[in-house]
Amino acid sequence: QVQLQEAGPRLVKPSETLSLNCTVSGGSVTSSFWTWIRQSPGKGLEWIGYIYYGGRTDTNPSLKSRATMSVDTSKNHVSLRLSSVTAADTAFYYCAAGNFFFDKWGPGTFITVSS
Amino acid sequence: QSVLTQPPSASGTPGQRVTISCSGSSSNIGGHSVHWYQQLPGTAPRLLIYSNNHRPSGVPDRFSGSKSGTSVSLAISGLLSEDEADYFCSAWDDSLNGPVFGGGTKLTVL
Repeated sequence: QVQLQEAGPRLVKPSETLSLNCTVSGGSVTSSFWTWIRQSPGKGLEWIGYIYYGGRTDTNPSLKSRATMSVDTSKNHVSLRLSSVTAADTAFYYCAAGNFFFDKWGPGTFITVSS
Repeated sequence: QSVLTQPPSASGTPGQRVTISCSGSSSNIGGHSVHWYQQLPGTAPRLLIYSNNHRPSGVPDRFSGSKSGTSVSLAISGLLSEDEADYFCSAWDDSLNGPVFGGGTKLTVL
């Protein structure tokens, strides 16, 4: 059974770059689309973007090109980088399998943007 | 402000049937399948219904979905205390070219 686990620094300073990895276990990172979603009290669930290992990717225009995603087949993980963060980027960050609907989710990690 | 509109709260007593609505537009619900997620307190969302009315393996048949035009409903019959959770609807949106979500409905089992 595929399981996902997000990992990365929990505290990021304003204007710096948030970096998260999502490790896929029990399956291959080449087998699915992978989507990043975040959840904050003020904005509910928000789609960040998706990536497929072949290179197909798309991100939410509201993030103004701050978000980039990549797939590392050697480590079987997908990565998210969100640059120039502000307090508004404070949220739970989830990785999930799929691009239309999401049948597997990681437990999520709460990222705080603060100096 | 979420693209899909859900009531912020709903409630019912054990054994009762409750429905949760979700409305959108022609660029999302009107033209695409809708999916529902259940989020228990302190946990990640879990897929509950996909493609309007299909249940993933392990989801009880007490949960069902329906769609009409630009609105959908999630019905929960035989309500249990363990159903107390937040419920989110989601659909692909042509304007965003990505999925959008409802603001969530907090279900309380009285």
